[in-house]
Amino acid sequence: SFELTQPPSVSVSPGQTARITCSADELPKQYAYWYQQKPGQAPVLVIYKDTERPSGIPERFSGSSSGTTVTLTISGVQAEDEGDYYCQSADSRGTPVIFGGGTKLTVL
Amino acid sequence: QVKLVQSGAEVKEPGASVKVSCKASGYTFTNYYMHWVRQAPGQGLEWMGVISPTGGSASYAQRLQGRVTMTRDTSTSTVYMELSSLRSEDTAVYYCARDPEAATSFYYYMDVWGKGTTVTVSS
Repeated sequence: SFELTQPPSVSVSPGQTARITCSADELPKQYAYWYQQKPGQAPVLVIYKDTERPSGIPERFSGSSSGTTVTLTISGVQAEDEGDYYCQSADSRGTPVIFGGGTKLTVL
Repeated sequence: QVKLVQSGAEVKEPGASVKVSCKASGYTFTNYYMHWVRQAPGQGLEWMGVISPTGGSASYAQRLQGRVTMTRDTSTSTVYMELSSLRSEDTAVYYCARDPEAATSFYYYMDVWGKGTTVTVSS
């Protein structure tokens, strides 16, 4: 079955750049979406269609895509960016929504 | 502003059913699909399905087929998710989330989320 693979955890110091990857196990890759979730809260969309940023999301959040891997980059990480990040995409067999396992971002 | 208000927490026994509601406001209800996503304690997000508010057609995750039913009431701008034959593994927070594009494209994602409804399955 189609899977999206994320690293379980990423740690960075404040002001550094965090990169969270999400790898698909098949081609063609559909668009990817990224959500931030803080403890006890609902997820928030931070990147859509690989690279687009919703209004209200800080410019330090950006997305990129290469082959079957997409990357969420947070430049100049702040303490408030700590939380879990989930990628989401679709497979080519008709399942419209699949989530990656999530990555816990720790700001040291 | 756009809001999704979900019903309150539920405690159910194994084998029972639960029905969670999600009332939308601040936008034209029939213009946007609605997803349901759940999250077991300490676990990741799991997509359950999506419903079209216009015709009421729904698409469900394969592993939940036969146990989940999504419906809507356009007169109250409310969508419902019913899960039957509950087991302990269904203990989770259940979210409804609006899809900004699925009604007009083939792209499925969520731009506005409800705060979640905790469902506990325990004897």
